[in-house]
Amino acid sequence: AQSVTQPDIHITVSEGASLELRCNYSYGATPYLFWYVQSPGQGLQLLLKYFSGDTLVQGIKGFEAEFKRSQSSFNLRKPSVHWSDAAEYFCAVGYDYKLSFGAGTTVTVRA
Amino acid sequence: SQTIHQWPATLVQPVGSPLSLECTVEGTSNPNLYWYRQAAGRGLQLLFYSVGIGQISSEVPQNLSASRPQDRQFILSSKKLLLSDSGFYLCAWEDRVAKNIQYFGAGTRLSVL
Repeated sequence: AQSVTQPDIHITVSEGASLELRCNYSYGATPYLFWYVQSPGQGLQLLLKYFSGDTLVQGIKGFEAEFKRSQSSFNLRKPSVHWSDAAEYFCAVGYDYKLSFGAGTTVTVRA
Repeated sequence: SQTIHQWPATLVQPVGSPLSLECTVEGTSNPNLYWYRQAAGRGLQLLFYSVGIGQISSEVPQNLSASRPQDRQFILSSKKLLLSDSGFYLCAWEDRVAKNIQYFGAGTRLSVL
């Protein structure tokens, strides 16, 4: 069965510092992988996706993610965090018509 | 461009009352449609999805039902709400060509008291 694990429930980072959010997945076939971001009380916005090809994918808002098949991971990174990046981040794996989401990581940005 | 609308944004309902949440998509045709629930501090749980008019698949047994009376309309309903139905409900659509890429509405915050 497919599943997604986000080991970090909450991360606090200083503005301007780098950020890395971890995501591990379990899926029998080649995965479709996604990162979404959710601001408080809002819907989810797609940051980036991986289907195939280059394992380093670029997304919106300066985010990137790297697919590592050997580690079943799809970690999200940003070199320099802005205060507006404070939000909840969800990793997801796609299969059939559906997405399976991780529990999310809340990012707090301190000045 | 495509847009997705959900309403209402916020709803407070007494236990035992009925529920109807609506979701509509514009700018596309024949989308796959989804209802998710997000409980506080938890991830998203897929409740229902639909690949066409009148075609509804339920992912979890529950007090809720869904209907798709028109191609771009998806409705979440309940005859009698329970306290446990409280949460944040999100509708999403997927372009069948752009497989697995889902786009979300702004959500409905439901409080059952």
